[in-house]
Amino acid sequence: LAKTTQPISMDSYEGQEVNITCSHNNIATNDYITWYQQFPSQGPRFIIQGYKTKVTNEVASLFIPADRKSSTLSLPRVSLSDTAVYYCLVVTSNQAGTALIFGKGTTLSVSS
Amino acid sequence: EAGVVQSPRYKIIEKKQPVAFWCNPISGHNTLYWYLQNLGQGPELLIRYENEEAVDDSQLPKDRFSAERLKGVDSTLKIQPAELGDSAVYLCASSLGTIGHETQYFGPGTRLLVL
Repeated sequence: LAKTTQPISMDSYEGQEVNITCSHNNIATNDYITWYQQFPSQGPRFIIQGYKTKVTNEVASLFIPADRKSSTLSLPRVSLSDTAVYYCLVVTSNQAGTALIFGKGTTLSVSS
Repeated sequence: EAGVVQSPRYKIIEKKQPVAFWCNPISGHNTLYWYLQNLGQGPELLIRYENEEAVDDSQLPKDRFSAERLKGVDSTLKIQPAELGDSAVYLCASSLGTIGHETQYFGPGTRLLVL
């Protein structure tokens, strides 16, 4: 099963671009990579999901290299409200079933 | 549209006591998940339901934890008896489909403190 590794914390200033990388060396062919955001006393909230190359939505971009052993969440021009914990999730679906493996999370602190 | 509802939001009990958590998923969502989240850690899956069927309970400590999802809608997670190490946040999530990588919608969680 794929295991994920993320930096424990990152610091940034308002208006900067932030890139958070997740390593998932054992990712399988059918695995998807999903990123969630979590604020204190709330459940995680979906940000973006991808399988390969690049995915972009209204809040973030997700870059996945060809070997898929890592993925990078990119947050353009962060604001104070982006201060949160960010988790990458690898979902493995195979004949044995589906496994959901969250990383330990990256705490992003945005300052003015 | 109402989100995932969980109750209670907070619970304090003494060790060896029973405790139950309730979750009502988003209407129409077939898949329901229960997670445990310790402080500073990511969520860990306890059990996943597809409709009424528990399709993955491999990480559920079955000697003290139990769960049910009658009629394939709301669900209850129970701990009996609770231990000090069970203090954590218990998250419920739901998703529309069952193929594994659909977007999960999380409730606010129940914060359990065992004294």
